[in-house]
Amino acid sequence: EAGVTQSPTHLIKTRGQQVTLRCSPISGHTSVYWYQQALGLGLQFLLWYDEGEERNRGNFPPRFSGRQFPNYSSELNVNALELEDSALYLCASRLQQVRRRLFGPGTRLTVL
Amino acid sequence: TQLLEQSPQFLSIQEGENLTVYCNSSSVFSSLQWYRQEPGEGPVLLVTVVTGGEVKKLKRLTFQFGDARKDSSLHITAAQPGDTGLYLCAGAPGGGADGLTFGKGTHLIIQP
Repeated sequence: EAGVTQSPTHLIKTRGQQVTLRCSPISGHTSVYWYQQALGLGLQFLLWYDEGEERNRGNFPPRFSGRQFPNYSSELNVNALELEDSALYLCASRLQQVRRRLFGPGTRLTVL
Repeated sequence: TQLLEQSPQFLSIQEGENLTVYCNSSSVFSSLQWYRQEPGEGPVLLVTVVTGGEVKKLKRLTFQFGDARKDSSLHITAAQPGDTGLYLCAGAPGGGADGLTFGKGTHLIIQP
């Protein structure tokens, strides 16, 4: 069984630019979660999508947004990048009614 | 907001030694998960503990959930270099908007 995949693996942007990160969940998983893991801050919840709809979002500004497609893959968009957006962005997927979520390898975003 | 405090933040020991890391909160969780994350990868679920006082063993790793379901510990016996990584605890249901609150983790280095 293929795991959660994320692209790109690494990305370097400058302040003010926009970025789109992509996640493909495990086949059959309908829920996708996005987390930000910045140095020293642990995993911070960003967004949760299920069945194509945003179910909840964490304490992040509106310039963090995303969507989930009919095939359950997901995008995370970040506009007007700031230096503190530099982090590892992790995607996880989960089967409905199952507690366990499986993480992808992440996208390392560096904002200069 | 439910918070999980992990200690120690950093731990470096010699191969063969024993160690314990802790995950503490003032809040009650219905379950608690432990993950290990290696550099450049996403967190991998090690165990979920659900019942207060529960003890689970995974080879040389022993996980315990506190009686009051507010804290947990991970004990590693005869640590090996392959145990090196970031150990994260996550509690549910959460203060985190997705129902999972993560601690900041314990960075563990096992030196040969």
